[in-house]
Amino acid sequence: DTEVTQTPKHLVMGMTNKKSLKCEQHMGHRAMYWYKQKAKKPPELMFVYSYEKLSINESVPSRFSPECPNSSLLNLHLHALQPEDSALYLCASSQGRQAAYGYTFGSGTRLTVV
Amino acid sequence: QQQVKQSPQSLIVQKGGISIINCAYENTAFDYFPWYQQFPGKGPALLIAIRPDVSEKKEGRFTISFNKSAKQFSLHIMDSQPGDSATYFCAAYPSNTGKLIFGQGTTLQVKP
Repeated sequence: DTEVTQTPKHLVMGMTNKKSLKCEQHMGHRAMYWYKQKAKKPPELMFVYSYEKLSINESVPSRFSPECPNSSLLNLHLHALQPEDSALYLCASSQGRQAAYGYTFGSGTRLTVV
Repeated sequence: QQQVKQSPQSLIVQKGGISIINCAYENTAFDYFPWYQQFPGKGPALLIAIRPDVSEKKEGRFTISFNKSAKQFSLHIMDSQPGDSATYFCAAYPSNTGKLIFGQGTTLQVKP
């Protein structure tokens, strides 16, 4: 299995809703990442988990809350989002933070905040 | 500040032609340089990658050329096909931070 699987593929949520994005990989990778991508722009790093511990938080607003329940799963909990948070949210994984081998992205969740 | 500068922003190539995308970096701590291909509505897919101790890497129609002294690297797509039409991102990975640094992207259109 060489894939990073993200669910759901599309999500529409109101500004008062609570929702979660899910990411799963079975490649034995020990680093997992959340990125946000706006149209025609490169992905922007949000969070990095290394060995299931949060190692980087790129000053992301607290309405985004990451969670890494185990080495294969990564969640992003969303609450009280703003319309400007609408974007493609990408999960990625790599063998480790110190090694970019196999840095693999999922297909993303297209999030629309209304 | 760590940056990767990518050019051109957009590129139109005829089918069968060579597509060339260039990137330049400043930080010598980068130790891995991947290229990603992204189709609309999809996540970036790793296309090809190179380490700074290698000057060239070829995989099928895709070649990375790497010039360590000039701090530049480029992607060459030989015999470009309409199916290659996508956005291409170069990137650089500094092992000391664990953050993949992306270029701004190049939108490639290959005309039939």
